Amino acid sequence: EDKVVQSPLSLVVHEGDTVTLNCSYEVTNFRSLLWYKQEKKAPTFLFMLTSSGIEKKSGRLSSILDKKELFSILNITATQTGDSAIYLCAVANAGGTSYGKLTFGQGTILTVHP
Amino acid sequence: EAQVTQNPRYLITVTGKKLTVTCSQNMNHEYMSWYRQDPGLGLRQIYYSMNVEVTDKGDVPEGYKVSRKEKRNFPLILESPSPNQTSLYFCASFSPGQGSTAQYFGPGTRLTVL
Repeated sequence: EDKVVQSPLSLVVHEGDTVTLNCSYEVTNFRSLLWYKQEKKAPTFLFMLTSSGIEKKSGRLSSILDKKELFSILNITATQTGDSAIYLCAVANAGGTSYGKLTFGQGTILTVHP
Repeated sequence: EAQVTQNPRYLITVTGKKLTVTCSQNMNHEYMSWYRQDPGLGLRQIYYSMNVEVTDKGDVPEGYKVSRKEKRNFPLILESPSPNQTSLYFCASFSPGQGSTAQYFGPGTRLTVL
């Protein structure tokens, strides 16, 4: 059974801090790892990672994948109150009838105080 | 505008009264999926469909049915809802042929079963 574990489950920081969110996974047939941000509505796509060691970057957010150790991290530098959200990690399965199946972690609740 | 739509957005019903939550996408995506989101459990996949007339169970299919008669629509049917199906439901879609597994989510349907 595919499994995704995120840590920490909850994080409270002050504006300007840098945070690192972790995601480890076990999947039978790995295709990609995705990060989503969820505010009070539907998850919105942040990054898709398929190759180890290649950093994806978007503004203050960046992410990297380690396919040997089966984990990914999401970094947010100079946090702002608008970064407060649930961050979801998901792994996409590549195999047969499971193609495209997404398994999500529990999410990390990030709260950024002014 | 490219989007996934769901209806209704909010629904309160009683145990045993059949209901359908509709999902429609205008992006010509082959793949569509339903998830439920519960506190502490993250997003869990209910059913998914890789194309018209092709559906398969996700991780938590019990108590749900789906159909995929047209490419754009993927309704979720609860034949006899029970209180443990009270949850936030998301529909999502993507196109494997576009080289990405990033799924696009609808706005969510909050269901309460009394």
